[in-house]
Amino acid sequence: EVQLVQSGAEMKKPGESLKISCKSSGYSFANYWIGWVRQMPGEGLEWMGIIYPGDSDTKYSPSFQGQVTISADKSISTAYLQWSGLKASDTAMYYCARGYSSVYWGQGTLVTVSS
Amino acid sequence: NFMLTQPHSVSESPGKTVTISCTRSSGSIVSNYVQWYQQRPGSAPTTVIYENNQRLSGVPDRFSGSIDRSSNSASLTISGLKTEDEADYYCQSYDDNNQVFGGGTKLTVL
Repeated sequence: EVQLVQSGAEMKKPGESLKISCKSSGYSFANYWIGWVRQMPGEGLEWMGIIYPGDSDTKYSPSFQGQVTISADKSISTAYLQWSGLKASDTAMYYCARGYSSVYWGQGTLVTVSS
Repeated sequence: NFMLTQPHSVSESPGKTVTISCTRSSGSIVSNYVQWYQQRPGSAPTTVIYENNQRLSGVPDRFSGSIDRSSNSASLTISGLKTEDEADYYCQSYDDNNQVFGGGTKLTVL
């Protein structure tokens, strides 16, 4: 059974850094793209970017290029999304999802950024 | 980049059939597969249709997906509506470098 399990909710202050994770199981992690999707409060889904863990090829939405970093560690079947300087506008739910078709989803990680 | 446009909301009565459309702004709808996701309040999205018309294991056959080249759109049809189908529904497709989501459709079953 394919499962994506994300790290827990985070509460941070503006300017702080953060790295959230998405641990995969039930399939060959290195052989499938895995991406990140943002959902701001009361809003729709926005694609952020995607990584192929086999060779770390990474693609970003123009809206998120330079704002976040996506990485993966295939030795522990885990993908990451990180920020180096959070803003209040980064407050959102973040989901990981497998593949360009995003068939399998994680449960989401709520990130709250507030002073 | 292309956009996917969905109606903001639809409503229908239990037992009836509803269809949600998703129109691609540029490029052909058949260029890449279309997926449909259901999101209930407070929950993560789940896939109901992938690759245009395939149901994920466990999804009732009341859910079906289709593609219409003439209108450059995809559709999600839910028959025999149940109150539990009340949710937001998103279409999605992609190209070589991007995924694109529709704005979402709120389905009310009343």
